[in-house]
Amino acid sequence: EAGVTQSPRYAVLQEGQAVSFWCDPISGHDTLYWYQQPRDQGPQLLVYFRDEAVIDNSQLPSDRFSAVRPKGTNSTLKIQSAKQGDTATYLCASSFGGGTEVFFGKGTRLTVV
Amino acid sequence: SQWGEENLQALSIQEGEDVTMNCSYKTYTTVVHWYRQDSGRGPALIILIRSNEREKRSGRLRATLDTSSQSSSLSITAAQCEDTAVYFCATEGGGADRLTFGKGTQLIIQP
Repeated sequence: EAGVTQSPRYAVLQEGQAVSFWCDPISGHDTLYWYQQPRDQGPQLLVYFRDEAVIDNSQLPSDRFSAVRPKGTNSTLKIQSAKQGDTATYLCASSFGGGTEVFFGKGTRLTVV
Repeated sequence: SQWGEENLQALSIQEGEDVTMNCSYKTYTTVVHWYRQDSGRGPALIILIRSNEREKRSGRLRATLDTSSQSSSLSITAAQCEDTAVYFCATEGGGADRLTFGKGTQLIIQP
């Protein structure tokens, strides 16, 4: 069974540029999460969906970050105008029914210079 | 012990030794997850313990949970080089379908 797939694996941007990250969760998983993991820290939840609905986006910097999951399957996280402080690994994860085990992708490592 | 505002902790031991990593959490939870993260990979669940279990074993792993002191521990017996990774505890804070992660412990096993 394929795991959670993310692309790209790496991105390097200058401040002010935009970037999009794509995530394909495990087939059948209705819950999808986006986490931000700064270097040498634990993952921090940005937003999560149940099917196509946003359940919690309270930690998503809404002025520059957006996330969608239009058909309740794949998802895109976008940063409109990147800042150096956005440098981190962005992890996508999925689970079934908000269940106990959450499966993570390999992440996208973003560097903003 | 992980959590709080401190950054990733580092722990280095010799192969064959036992090691225990501690986790103190702030938000009430009835479940503590332990994840390991290898370099360049996402975290992967290795053991989960519920408040009615107090202790859980899986192979060379042993997890404990004390809800009264809001702390959990993960022990590895006879550590091997392949146990080298970052280990995180995570609680089901703010609802059962979202995880809050600690800062993590970088464990290095020396041959």
